[in-house]
Amino acid sequence: KAGVTQTPRYLIKTRGQQVTLSCSPISGHRSVSWYQQTPGQGLQFLFEYFSETQRNKGNFPGRFSGRQFSNSRSEMNVSTLELGDSALYLCASSLNSQITQFFGPGTRLTVL
Amino acid sequence: TQLLEQSPQFLSIQEGENLTVYCNSSSVFSSLQWYRQEPGEGPVLLVTVVTGGEVKKLKRLTFQFGDARKDSSLHITAAQPGDTGLYLCAGGFYNTDKLIFGTGTRLQVFP
Repeated sequence: KAGVTQTPRYLIKTRGQQVTLSCSPISGHRSVSWYQQTPGQGLQFLFEYFSETQRNKGNFPGRFSGRQFSNSRSEMNVSTLELGDSALYLCASSLNSQITQFFGPGTRLTVL
Repeated sequence: TQLLEQSPQFLSIQEGENLTVYCNSSSVFSSLQWYRQEPGEGPVLLVTVVTGGEVKKLKRLTFQFGDARKDSSLHITAAQPGDTGLYLCAGGFYNTDKLIFGTGTRLQVFP
């Protein structure tokens, strides 16, 4: 089985722009979670989607949004980028729960 | 508010030494997981413990869940350079699928 894939792996944007990141879960997995990882704040939960519905949400501003398609692939969008949005964005998939999840390699976003 | 504190934050040791990493919280968790993350990769799940007092062994790694389900430890025996990485604990809560990740312990094992 192929693992979780994320595209792109690296991205450079400037302040004020928006960005869309993509995640393809392991085949058969219906839950996709997104996390932001920074040296200062560690790994923080953004949101989780299950069967195209947002099931859980972390404490991030509305500039961060996501969606899930019928094939379980997920995208997250960040609008009006700020310098502090520079981070590694990780996606994780599981059959139906975050308790057993598998992470992708992440997308490294740099905001200049 | 960071619910899971890990200590130490950084650890540099020689190959062959033993070490213990701690994960502490004031919250009670339904489960506790440990991950290892290498540079340029996502975290990889090492173990999940679900019973207070539970001890699990994975080769040279020993994981323990506290009796009160508020803390956990990871002990590595005879560390090897391949153990180098960021170790993360993550706690799961009852009646929710959310996970909270710890602050992380960065381990460097020198040959």
